[in-house]
Amino acid sequence: DADVTQTPRNRITKTGKRIMLECSQTKGHDRMYWYRQDPGLGLRLIYYSFDVKDINKGEISDGYSVSRQAQAKFSLSLESAIPNQTALYFCATSDFSGARYNEQFFGPGTRLTVL
Amino acid sequence: AQKVTQAQTEISVVEKEDVTLDCVYETRDTTYYLFWYKQPPSGELVFLIRRNSFDEQNEISGRYSWNFQKSTSSFNFTITASQVVDSAVYFCALVGNAGNMLTFGGGTRLMVKP
Repeated sequence: DADVTQTPRNRITKTGKRIMLECSQTKGHDRMYWYRQDPGLGLRLIYYSFDVKDINKGEISDGYSVSRQAQAKFSLSLESAIPNQTALYFCATSDFSGARYNEQFFGPGTRLTVL
Repeated sequence: AQKVTQAQTEISVVEKEDVTLDCVYETRDTTYYLFWYKQPPSGELVFLIRRNSFDEQNEISGRYSWNFQKSTSSFNFTITASQVVDSAVYFCALVGNAGNMLTFGGGTRLMVKP
């Protein structure tokens, strides 16, 4: 089974609709992240959470909100979807060993299309 | 602010050629980590390597090698004897002292033709 799962994998929605993307992990990591990927722009950080009580905005948080329901679950919401939120969304996790920053492990991605 | 630049948006080679993917970064942090990820056509992101700013030793893993040069703020990735399965988008990324934001480059699409 995959360590980081995302649901749904694909979603088509209409402008103005509320949509939630979910992420679950079995890696036991404290840190979780949401990114979006647009062609030619790499991945950009939307929100991140270092533990259940910690939520932080990333580079492009406008129009998004998140909820960290448990150590293993981190959801991303679009309150009122707009077409320029059409993108590939990735969830990621990492741990932190003392002074060493470890790599992030990514989920399979959710392809979201807003019409 | 951090920045990662991958100037090569697309590279096309013929199988068995060597290819180098360039990565140049900017950061004011004295401690930072650099990464390379591979994104094959299936879309997932696969971790390839992590390098911290205090370790300038080059690394080789099979056909893959990485050249970290702090003096030029570069962390280049070379694939020796490329194969069709190497066709993917490759991302270079950086995280600084705070360890919170992984800053990605725009990616380099590598196409290896048989």
